[in-house]
Amino acid sequence: AQSVAQPEDQVNVAEGNPLTVKCTYSVSGNPYLFWYVQYPNRGLQFLLKYITGDNLVKGSYGFEAEFNKSQTSFHLKKPSALVSDSALYFCAVRATGRRALTFGSGTRLQVQP
Amino acid sequence: EAQVTQNPRYLITVTGKKLTVTCSQNMNHEYMSWYRQDPGLGLRQIYYSMNVEVTDKGDVPEGYKVSRKEKRNFPLILESPSPNQTSLYFCASSYLADRGERHEQYFGPGTRLTVT
Repeated sequence: AQSVAQPEDQVNVAEGNPLTVKCTYSVSGNPYLFWYVQYPNRGLQFLLKYITGDNLVKGSYGFEAEFNKSQTSFHLKKPSALVSDSALYFCAVRATGRRALTFGSGTRLQVQP
Repeated sequence: EAQVTQNPRYLITVTGKKLTVTCSQNMNHEYMSWYRQDPGLGLRQIYYSMNVEVTDKGDVPEGYKVSRKEKRNFPLILESPSPNQTSLYFCASSYLADRGERHEQYFGPGTRLTVT
C-alpha cells in the first residue's frame, strides 16, 4: 500500500518570505514523488518530481523540493513567496512499476501581500 | 497543443438519471485514469486503464463504469447517479513506460457534478 500525508491544511506566509509545504509518504520500494498545484477552477498542474538522483529537485515557477529518504519526506519549498503562488498544493506518490498515484489531502497556501 | 479534455465542465442532474463524462487525450498515452476530488480527501482514484480494452478498479469504483474502446478516449459512466457522487472529477493520462521524461500524469480541467 502507498500513502501520503500533508499535515497542514493551510500554510500562511508573507510575500517575499520563504515557504515550505510539508509532505511525508509511505510506499513499498523506491518512490516516485510528485507535487501538483491547483489554481481555482482549474485542473492540476505538474510542478516537479523526484525519480532518482539528486535529492534536491527544481521545478516550475521557482519551486523546489527535497527528498529525504530517512525521514520519508518530500517537502516543497520556495525561497521567496509571491501572492500569485496562493493555490492548493498536492503531494503524490507511486511505487516504481506501478501507475496508480496516491495523493495527499492537499495544503492551501495563502501568501499575503 | 498537448492536452486532456473533459466534457461537460459542469453538470447538474437528478438521482438515477444516467450520465457520461467524456475524456480525451491527444498525447498517445497508454495510461488513463479517473479521480474524484472531495474537500479534505485529496484525489481518489476511481478507475484506470493501462491500454485499449484494459481497465481496472481504483480505490473508489462503486457506482461508476468506464470503457476504453479507443486509445484516446476514456469515458466515465454513472448508470444511476446518487447525491454522494456529487464531486469534482478529473481525468488524467500518462505514458505507461518510465523512460526519460515520461513519468508524470497530465490532468484535464475537471468536471463539477452535482446530483440532487
